[in-house]
Amino acid sequence: DIQMTQSPSSLSASVGDRVTITCRASQGISNYLAWFQQKPGKAPKSLIYAASSLQSGVPSKFSGSGSGTDFTLTISSLQPEDFATYYCQQYNSYPPTFGQGTRLEIK
Amino acid sequence: EVQLVESGGGLVQPGRSLRLSCAASGFTFDDYAMHWVRQAPGKGLEWVSGISWNSGSIGYADSVKGRFTISRDNAKNSLYLQMNSLRAEDTALYYCAKGKGPGVATINDYWGQGTLVTVSS
Repeated sequence: DIQMTQSPSSLSASVGDRVTITCRASQGISNYLAWFQQKPGKAPKSLIYAASSLQSGVPSKFSGSGSGTDFTLTISSLQPEDFATYYCQQYNSYPPTFGQGTRLEIK
Repeated sequence: EVQLVESGGGLVQPGRSLRLSCAASGFTFDDYAMHWVRQAPGKGLEWVSGISWNSGSIGYADSVKGRFTISRDNAKNSLYLQMNSLRAEDTALYYCAKGKGPGVATINDYWGQGTLVTVSS
């Protein structure tokens, strides 16, 4: 199975900040990489697919990049509603695998 | 509006069985793959199983292979997960998730709110 490793595991930031979360695959996955946001007690929400394509309805403050093994999710101008846990997922090969999550907290 | 509503969770003893259901609405169900993803309490997301639009392609995580069976009824817009020989480590919130395309190798663009399965004696 392909292992996905996110860094950092947790991150403290302030409203208005720009933050970047990294996801690394244990082998190349082309651009078959998705990002999800999960708030406490809620279902995950799809943000990005194909490494950089924004899901319908997701604000452009979220952006993704990368290909092969290294990927990033960038969130610009953090707002209170952005503080959540973020997961990456590869879907290049079965089984699909998730990163361990990055918890974004308010500083 | 896409809606996915899971049901069938509950408290079950180790070794017993449970069947989860997911009722879908707001989209053409038989055009899309469907998946089950679970989340143990306080833990991350784990993909469990996926099924293509016509049930022609099915996949399972190694942790559930041989014990769980995914199925769908396109006439009823419903997805199912038959879980046998349940173990304590199967305790989790089980999410039903819609695929973005018809094949199993696709991301999940919509998720239900989940149904909780607790395996304990």
